[in-house]
Amino acid sequence: AQTVTQSQPEMSVQEAETVTLSCTYDTSESDYYLFWYKQPPSRQMILVIRQEAYKQQNATENRFSVNFQKAAKSFSLKISDSQLGDAAMYFCAYRRGSGGSNYKLTFGKGTLLTVNP
Amino acid sequence: KAGVTQTPRYLIKTRGQQVTLSCSPISGHRSVSWYQQTPGQGLQFLFEYFSETQRNKGNFPGRFSGRQFSNSRSEMNVSTLELGDSALYLCASSGPLTGKRGNTEAFFGQGTRLTVV
Repeated sequence: AQTVTQSQPEMSVQEAETVTLSCTYDTSESDYYLFWYKQPPSRQMILVIRQEAYKQQNATENRFSVNFQKAAKSFSLKISDSQLGDAAMYFCAYRRGSGGSNYKLTFGKGTLLTVNP
Repeated sequence: KAGVTQTPRYLIKTRGQQVTLSCSPISGHRSVSWYQQTPGQGLQFLFEYFSETQRNKGNFPGRFSGRQFSNSRSEMNVSTLELGDSALYLCASSGPLTGKRGNTEAFFGQGTRLTVV
């Protein structure tokens, strides 16, 4: 079974600074997707960024980027120029590839990010 | 484009009762997944429906069941409620599959907060 581990229950960052959230995963699959979701106090899960395992290039979305190390099974999220609105719970998630026939997500326990003004 | 709609948003039930939660996916999406979120266990996968068929099931007792209708709307039912069923229940819709790799993203609703007393 696949597992996702987030070793940092809480992190804090100063506004405008950079913070990195860690995630490791375990799988025997070669085809899979990795995601970072954000859950603000409103409780709605919002996709931040995704990475396809077959792509070597790290995904980037504006101030958000990932460091995907496939051999090490590591998938960290870097938030640059942190803003107050980035404060939320961040979840790392895994999904098998299998040609899109399986939409089950396996989540880590989450990292609570606080942004200090 | 309307997002994923979950109803009701909040629910209070008594131990032993049963409850039905509803999820309307994004128009055109055929996959609906359900997750239970609690402070202790985090986000756990309940089940996934695709074109009215249950395609995946998590490790939950038989008191948890679901179904999907021809319009892709899904319902989740919990019978004989226990205090431990108190949680945020999230629904996610995915698809349709387009191209070789398909649509990998899951869009979440705002959840139903169930409290069992």
